[in-house]
Amino acid sequence: DAGVIQSPRHEVTEMGQEVTLRCKPISGHDYLFWYRQTMMRGLELLIYFNNNVPIDDSGMPEDRFSAKMPNASFSTLKIQPSEPRDSAVYFCASSAVAGSGYNEQFFGPGTRLTVL
Amino acid sequence: EDQVTQSPEALRLQEGESSSLNCSYTVSGLRGLFWYRQDPGKGPEFLFTLYSAGEEKEKERLKATLTKKESFLHITAPKPEDSATYLCAVQFYSGGYQKVTFGTGTKLQVIP
Repeated sequence: DAGVIQSPRHEVTEMGQEVTLRCKPISGHDYLFWYRQTMMRGLELLIYFNNNVPIDDSGMPEDRFSAKMPNASFSTLKIQPSEPRDSAVYFCASSAVAGSGYNEQFFGPGTRLTVL
Repeated sequence: EDQVTQSPEALRLQEGESSSLNCSYTVSGLRGLFWYRQDPGKGPEFLFTLYSAGEEKEKERLKATLTKKESFLHITAPKPEDSATYLCAVQFYSGGYQKVTFGTGTKLQVIP
């Protein structure tokens, strides 16, 4: 398997622009996670899906952020409008079902977002 | 408040000099504690899962242990290729569903 695929790998945009990050999870994994990583705050869970349904979005910083999972093989994280403080590395991860939940997560290579 | 704290923030070792990394947690409803390794410019890579106090897991030069309040990642005779940031994550139940919280990591540098 190719692992979790993310695109783009790097994104540079100007404040106020819309940014869309994309993720393809590992085939057969029922859970998909979006994280943000910064030096100051480390790795933060933004939202996760189970069978394409959002389960916990309590980590989404504000209404400017939205995430969708239209099918089992694709998810997007959108920021509109973007701000300089959104600059970070965004990771997507997926996990298989384990009992009543999930276990280890498999991470993609990340998207480095810079908002000028 | 549910928290995960890792120490030290950074660790510099000579090749062959064994040491331990610490991950302490304050959560209720622990489902599992996970260790990941992250190399620069890459996503975290899974190492171990520990489910209950007293459990131990080993992989090459790494050994992870778990108590009711903390976990240790022991590195025996490290090599330069062990240099990376090591993250611990705690999975627990809250509000009826599963949550995960990551520590801020320990950046390990092994000098030849």
